[in-house]
Amino acid sequence: AQSVTQLGSHVSVSEGALVLLRCNYSSSVPPYLFWYVQYPNQGLQLLLKYTTGATLVKGINGFEAEFKKSETSFHLTKPSAHMSDAAEYFCAVSESWSSASKIIFGSGTRLSIRP
Amino acid sequence: NAGVTQTPKFRILKIGQSMTLQCTQDMNHNYMYWYRQDPGMGLKLIYYSVGAGITDKGEVPNGYNVSRSTTEDFPLRLELAAPSQTSVYFCASGGEGDTGELFFGEGSRLTVL
Repeated sequence: AQSVTQLGSHVSVSEGALVLLRCNYSSSVPPYLFWYVQYPNQGLQLLLKYTTGATLVKGINGFEAEFKKSETSFHLTKPSAHMSDAAEYFCAVSESWSSASKIIFGSGTRLSIRP
Repeated sequence: NAGVTQTPKFRILKIGQSMTLQCTQDMNHNYMYWYRQDPGMGLKLIYYSVGAGITDKGEVPNGYNVSRSTTEDFPLRLELAAPSQTSVYFCASGGEGDTGELFFGEGSRLTVL
């Protein structure tokens, strides 16, 4: 069965500092992996996704994530945090990108940015 | 471009009342979903649909019903509301084809007292 673990329900960084949000997954087949972002009082929107091919995936707003099969991880990073990055971030795993009934979401990590 | 539209945005119900959350999308997606989001719990799938006339249960379907008479609309019905159904509900569409991307509505915050 699939599962997703996001380490840290709340992460706080200074503006300009590195952002690292951790995600580990469990899947019985090669996974499809996603990061979604949720701004206050809004729905989720796709930040980036990994399906096949290059393991370093670049997304919107300067975020990127690297799929590491040996570590079953898909951590999200951004070199320099901006105040506008404050939001909740969700990692998700799917065994099939064509069947969202099998998408499992993590519990989320709230990112705060200190001035 | 409207995307996924949910109504109402906020609602307070009394225990035992019923209501319908409306969801409509204008992207011609076959797949549509209802999730609930509880603090610290991520999103849980309630029901989903792969096309008009076809619906199926997700992880937490008890206390809810859905219908899909058109491609655009996917209403969620709460029968006999209970405090455990206090949550934020999100409708989404997509998840098909090459992108696998889900498009979410802005959410409906429901409180059952």
